[in-house]
Amino acid sequence: AQSVAQPEDQVNVAEGNPLTVKCTYSVSGNPYLFWYVQYPNRGLQFLLKYITGDNLVKGSYGFEAEFNKSQTSFHLKKPSALVSDSALYFCAVSSRRAGNTGKLIFGQGTTLQVKP
Amino acid sequence: GAVVSQHPSRVICKSGTSVKIECRSLDFQATTMFWYRQFPKKSLMLMATSNEGSKATYEQGVEKDKFLINHASLTLSTLTVTSAHPEDSSFYICSAPDQHYNEQFFGPGTRLTVL
Repeated sequence: AQSVAQPEDQVNVAEGNPLTVKCTYSVSGNPYLFWYVQYPNRGLQFLLKYITGDNLVKGSYGFEAEFNKSQTSFHLKKPSALVSDSALYFCAVSSRRAGNTGKLIFGQGTTLQVKP
Repeated sequence: GAVVSQHPSRVICKSGTSVKIECRSLDFQATTMFWYRQFPKKSLMLMATSNEGSKATYEQGVEKDKFLINHASLTLSTLTVTSAHPEDSSFYICSAPDQHYNEQFFGPGTRLTVL
Protein backbone atom coordinates (compact mmCIF):
# COMPACT_ATOMS: atom_id res chain seq x y z
CA ALA A 1 0.00 0.00 0.00
CA GLN A 2 1.09 3.53 -0.70
CA SER A 3 1.77 5.85 2.22
CA VAL A 4 3.46 9.10 3.08
CA ALA A 5 4.82 10.08 6.47
CA GLN A 6 5.61 13.54 7.70
CA PRO A 7 7.05 12.81 11.14
CA GLU A 8 6.82 16.35 12.50
CA ASP A 9 3.50 18.01 13.26
CA GLN A 10 5.24 21.35 13.55
CA VAL A 11 8.62 22.81 12.67
CA ASN A 12 9.80 26.05 14.26
CA VAL A 13 12.61 28.07 12.76
CA ALA A 14 13.93 31.59 13.10
CA GLU A 15 13.73 33.90 10.12
CA GLY A 16 16.90 33.74 8.06
CA ASN A 17 17.78 30.24 9.20
CA PRO A 18 17.60 27.20 6.94
CA LEU A 19 14.52 25.01 7.20
CA THR A 20 13.81 21.35 6.54
CA VAL A 21 10.43 19.66 6.46
CA LYS A 22 10.73 15.89 6.39
CA CYS A 23 8.87 13.39 4.24
CA THR A 24 9.27 9.67 3.69
CA TYR A 25 7.17 7.52 1.43
CA SER A 26 6.26 3.98 0.57
CA VAL A 27 4.99 3.13 -2.91
CA SER A 28 5.09 0.25 -5.35
CA GLY A 29 7.42 1.02 -8.18
CA ASN A 30 8.90 4.42 -8.89
CA PRO A 31 7.07 7.37 -7.39
CA TYR A 32 5.93 10.78 -8.43
CA LEU A 33 6.58 13.05 -5.44
CA PHE A 34 5.09 16.44 -4.68
CA TRP A 35 5.15 19.23 -2.13
CA TYR A 36 2.22 21.56 -1.64
CA VAL A 37 1.68 24.51 0.68
CA GLN A 38 -1.61 25.63 2.16
CA TYR A 39 -2.42 28.97 3.75
CA PRO A 40 -5.45 29.29 6.07
CA ASN A 41 -8.78 28.71 4.33
CA ARG A 42 -7.11 28.31 0.98
CA GLY A 43 -6.57 25.48 -1.44
CA LEU A 44 -3.24 23.82 -2.05
CA GLN A 45 -0.50 25.60 -3.91
CA PHE A 46 2.03 23.56 -5.83
CA LEU A 47 5.65 24.00 -4.75
CA LEU A 48 7.62 21.37 -6.63
CA LYS A 49 7.62 17.84 -7.94
CA TYR A 50 9.96 14.98 -8.70
CA ILE A 51 9.13 12.88 -11.72
CA THR A 52 12.51 11.82 -13.05
CA GLY A 53 15.98 13.22 -13.61
CA ASP A 54 18.06 15.15 -11.09
CA ASN A 55 17.48 14.17 -7.51
CA LEU A 56 17.58 17.80 -6.40
CA VAL A 57 14.44 19.59 -7.47
CA LYS A 58 14.04 23.34 -7.30
CA GLY A 59 10.60 24.84 -6.92
CA SER A 60 8.66 27.97 -6.16
CA TYR A 61 9.57 30.64 -3.58
CA GLY A 62 13.14 29.37 -3.16
CA PHE A 63 12.15 25.90 -1.97
CA GLU A 64 13.92 22.75 -3.04
CA ALA A 65 13.69 19.06 -2.27
CA GLU A 66 15.99 16.11 -2.64
CA PHE A 67 14.78 12.73 -3.78
CA ASN A 68 16.66 9.98 -1.97
CA LYS A 69 15.67 6.59 -3.30
CA SER A 70 17.66 4.52 -0.81
CA GLN A 71 16.10 6.33 2.14
CA THR A 72 12.72 6.73 0.42
CA SER A 73 12.73 10.37 1.42
CA PHE A 74 11.82 13.65 -0.20
CA HIS A 75 12.62 16.35 2.36
CA LEU A 76 11.69 19.95 1.63
CA LYS A 77 14.35 22.57 2.22
CA LYS A 78 14.96 26.28 2.00
CA PRO A 79 18.29 27.99 2.74
CA SER A 80 16.80 31.05 4.44
CA ALA A 81 13.31 31.03 5.92
CA LEU A 82 10.91 33.97 5.73
CA VAL A 83 8.08 34.77 8.13
CA SER A 84 5.77 34.57 5.13
CA ASP A 85 6.74 30.91 4.68
CA SER A 86 4.68 30.08 7.77
CA ALA A 87 1.97 27.72 6.55
CA LEU A 88 0.88 24.10 6.38
CA TYR A 89 3.02 21.90 4.12
CA PHE A 90 1.98 18.62 2.55
CA CYS A 91 4.08 15.94 0.93
CA ALA A 92 2.26 13.67 -1.53
CA VAL A 93 3.02 10.65 -3.65
CA SER A 94 1.50 9.08 -6.71
CA SER A 95 2.35 5.71 -8.18
CA ARG A 96 3.99 5.63 -11.56
CA ARG A 97 2.51 2.28 -12.40
CA ALA A 98 0.44 1.70 -15.51
CA GLY A 99 -3.16 2.65 -14.99
CA ASN A 100 -2.22 5.50 -12.71
CA THR A 101 -5.12 7.90 -12.49
CA GLY A 102 -3.17 10.62 -10.78
CA LYS A 103 -4.58 9.82 -7.35
CA LEU A 104 -2.42 11.40 -4.68
CA ILE A 105 -1.72 10.07 -1.22
CA PHE A 106 -0.96 12.86 1.23
CA GLY A 107 1.12 13.01 4.34
CA GLN A 108 -0.51 14.34 7.48
CA GLY A 109 0.95 17.78 7.01
CA THR A 110 3.57 19.81 8.86
CA THR A 111 2.95 23.28 10.19
CA LEU A 112 5.91 25.54 9.62
CA GLN A 113 6.29 28.48 11.99
CA VAL A 114 8.94 31.03 11.10
CA LYS A 115 9.54 33.55 13.86
CA PRO A 116 11.04 37.00 13.33
CA GLY B 1 -0.23 26.26 -14.82
CA ALA B 2 -3.76 25.04 -15.25
CA VAL B 3 -6.55 26.59 -13.20
CA VAL B 4 -9.30 24.85 -11.26
CA SER B 5 -12.13 26.85 -9.74
CA GLN B 6 -14.69 25.98 -7.10
CA HIS B 7 -18.03 27.55 -6.37
CA PRO B 8 -19.13 28.62 -3.87
CA SER B 9 -16.10 29.46 -1.78
CA ARG B 10 -18.17 29.48 1.37
CA VAL B 11 -21.65 28.25 2.21
CA ILE B 12 -23.72 28.15 5.36
CA CYS B 13 -26.83 26.01 5.42
CA LYS B 14 -29.36 24.55 7.82
CA SER B 15 -29.41 20.90 8.84
CA GLY B 16 -31.37 18.75 6.45
CA THR B 17 -30.76 20.81 3.37
CA SER B 18 -28.63 19.81 0.38
CA VAL B 19 -25.66 21.76 -0.85
CA LYS B 20 -24.04 21.57 -4.28
CA ILE B 21 -20.38 22.42 -4.83
CA GLU B 22 -19.02 22.90 -8.33
CA CYS B 23 -15.49 22.17 -9.52
CA ARG B 24 -14.43 23.46 -12.93
CA SER B 25 -11.24 23.08 -14.93
CA LEU B 26 -10.98 26.46 -16.63
CA ASP B 27 -8.40 25.97 -19.36
CA PHE B 28 -8.09 22.24 -19.77
CA GLN B 29 -10.25 19.16 -19.97
CA ALA B 30 -10.38 16.69 -17.13
CA THR B 31 -11.90 13.26 -17.55
CA THR B 32 -11.02 12.63 -13.93
CA MET B 33 -11.40 14.89 -10.92
CA PHE B 34 -10.86 14.20 -7.25
CA TRP B 35 -12.81 15.35 -4.22
CA TYR B 36 -11.11 15.75 -0.86
CA ARG B 37 -12.32 16.65 2.58
CA GLN B 38 -10.11 18.42 5.08
CA PHE B 39 -10.67 18.92 8.79
CA PRO B 40 -8.93 21.82 10.59
CA LYS B 41 -5.16 21.53 10.45
CA LYS B 42 -5.47 18.00 9.14
CA SER B 43 -4.49 16.24 6.00
CA LEU B 44 -6.66 15.88 2.95
CA MET B 45 -8.86 12.81 2.92
CA LEU B 46 -9.69 11.57 -0.55
CA MET B 47 -13.44 11.07 -0.77
CA ALA B 48 -13.95 9.97 -4.34
CA THR B 49 -12.71 9.96 -7.89
CA SER B 50 -15.10 11.63 -10.30
CA ASN B 51 -15.16 10.11 -13.78
CA GLU B 52 -16.63 11.91 -16.76
CA GLY B 53 -19.50 9.97 -18.25
CA SER B 54 -19.51 7.24 -15.62
CA LYS B 55 -20.05 6.63 -11.94
CA ALA B 56 -17.73 8.03 -9.35
CA THR B 57 -15.41 5.76 -7.43
CA TYR B 58 -15.76 6.25 -3.70
CA GLU B 59 -13.12 5.60 -1.07
CA GLN B 60 -13.84 3.18 1.69
CA GLY B 61 -16.07 4.62 4.36
CA VAL B 62 -17.52 7.42 2.23
CA GLU B 63 -21.30 7.25 1.86
CA LYS B 64 -22.29 7.31 -1.79
CA ASP B 65 -25.84 8.39 -1.07
CA LYS B 66 -24.64 11.16 1.20
CA PHE B 67 -22.07 12.64 -1.14
CA LEU B 68 -23.42 12.59 -4.67
CA ILE B 69 -20.91 13.20 -7.42
CA ASN B 70 -21.75 14.04 -11.02
CA HIS B 71 -19.13 14.59 -13.71
CA ALA B 72 -21.37 15.94 -16.43
CA SER B 73 -18.75 17.33 -18.78
CA LEU B 74 -15.02 17.39 -19.36
CA THR B 75 -14.71 20.59 -17.36
CA LEU B 76 -17.26 20.24 -14.57
CA SER B 77 -17.72 17.95 -11.59
CA THR B 78 -20.24 18.57 -8.82
CA LEU B 79 -20.39 17.32 -5.27
CA THR B 80 -23.78 17.43 -3.56
CA VAL B 81 -23.92 16.96 0.18
CA THR B 82 -27.41 15.64 0.77
CA SER B 83 -29.38 16.15 3.97
CA ALA B 84 -26.45 17.96 5.51
CA HIS B 85 -25.72 17.68 9.21
CA PRO B 86 -23.32 19.66 11.41
CA GLU B 87 -20.76 16.84 11.22
CA ASP B 88 -20.56 17.44 7.47
CA SER B 89 -19.10 20.87 8.15
CA SER B 90 -15.66 20.87 6.61
CA PHE B 91 -13.41 22.26 3.93
CA TYR B 92 -13.97 20.51 0.60
CA ILE B 93 -11.30 20.67 -2.09
CA CYS B 94 -11.35 19.35 -5.62
CA SER B 95 -8.49 18.69 -7.99
CA ALA B 96 -7.93 17.66 -11.58
CA PRO B 97 -4.86 15.97 -13.06
CA ASP B 98 -3.10 17.06 -16.20
CA GLN B 99 -3.50 14.86 -19.27
CA HIS B 100 -0.47 12.76 -18.40
CA TYR B 101 -1.52 12.34 -14.77
CA ASN B 102 1.82 13.77 -13.71
CA GLU B 103 0.43 16.60 -11.66
CA GLN B 104 -2.81 17.68 -10.03
CA PHE B 105 -4.25 21.15 -9.95
CA PHE B 106 -6.28 22.07 -6.91
CA GLY B 107 -9.30 24.28 -6.52
CA PRO B 108 -9.35 26.98 -3.82
CA GLY B 109 -11.70 24.98 -1.63
CA THR B 110 -15.23 25.39 -0.31
CA ARG B 111 -15.94 25.98 3.37
CA LEU B 112 -19.21 24.30 4.32
CA THR B 113 -20.85 25.14 7.63
CA VAL B 114 -24.01 23.29 8.59
CA LEU B 115 -25.99 24.86 11.40
